[in-house]
Amino acid sequence: GAGVSQSPSNKVTEKGKDVELRCDPISGHTALYWYRQRLGQGLEFLIYFQGNSAPDKSGLPSDRFSAERTGESVSTLTIQRTQQEDSAVYLCASSSSSGEQFFGPGTRLTVL
Amino acid sequence: AQRVTQPEKLLSVFKGAPVELKCNYSYSGSPELFWYVQYSRQRLQLLLRHISRESIKGFTADLNKGETSFHLKKPFAQEEDSAMYYCALSRTGRRALTFGSGTRLQVQP
Repeated sequence: GAGVSQSPSNKVTEKGKDVELRCDPISGHTALYWYRQRLGQGLEFLIYFQGNSAPDKSGLPSDRFSAERTGESVSTLTIQRTQQEDSAVYLCASSSSSGEQFFGPGTRLTVL
Repeated sequence: AQRVTQPEKLLSVFKGAPVELKCNYSYSGSPELFWYVQYSRQRLQLLLRHISRESIKGFTADLNKGETSFHLKKPFAQEEDSAMYYCALSRTGRRALTFGSGTRLQVQP
């Protein structure tokens, strides 16, 4: 593909609902990352997948957040029981062994 | 824990003027430092990394371990340099990046 893709581009949900965000990495990239960017702030690391290794979940802010990745393909970030403070742009990135991370366009999540 | 600080939210300069975007970090090990850029309505993309020692689009950045800084510099700013710039750090053996809060560079004609 041309680059990392994410869907949906925008998501508006009501407080308490669950949401799923999708990331399609660049084909052949073994590593996949999720970041969150709140308004006016830098990116916060959430979770990192590398091949078949156990994911690095050290950035997940609460147990309402989880992510899965099937092999070296698509990843889904799930937020359960959304809160207003979850409103942010969620960015996905992928990288090959060179380490340069290529970012997707992001999903803007708004929790009303 | 590691931290990246970009003290300026906004830096406004005139075309042709020198630019320096400041970045300081705190990390006890040997970090790898990066500058990422996001142009209007475009994705975040890598501008340069300290291990490459390259000049990209006229920008350079030198890692100063004594001052724990990685400032981004360009001698003559161009209008097309207007963008958000993020400094980022990765720890030894860990690919995940820690980002600063970003500096918006405005280059006026």
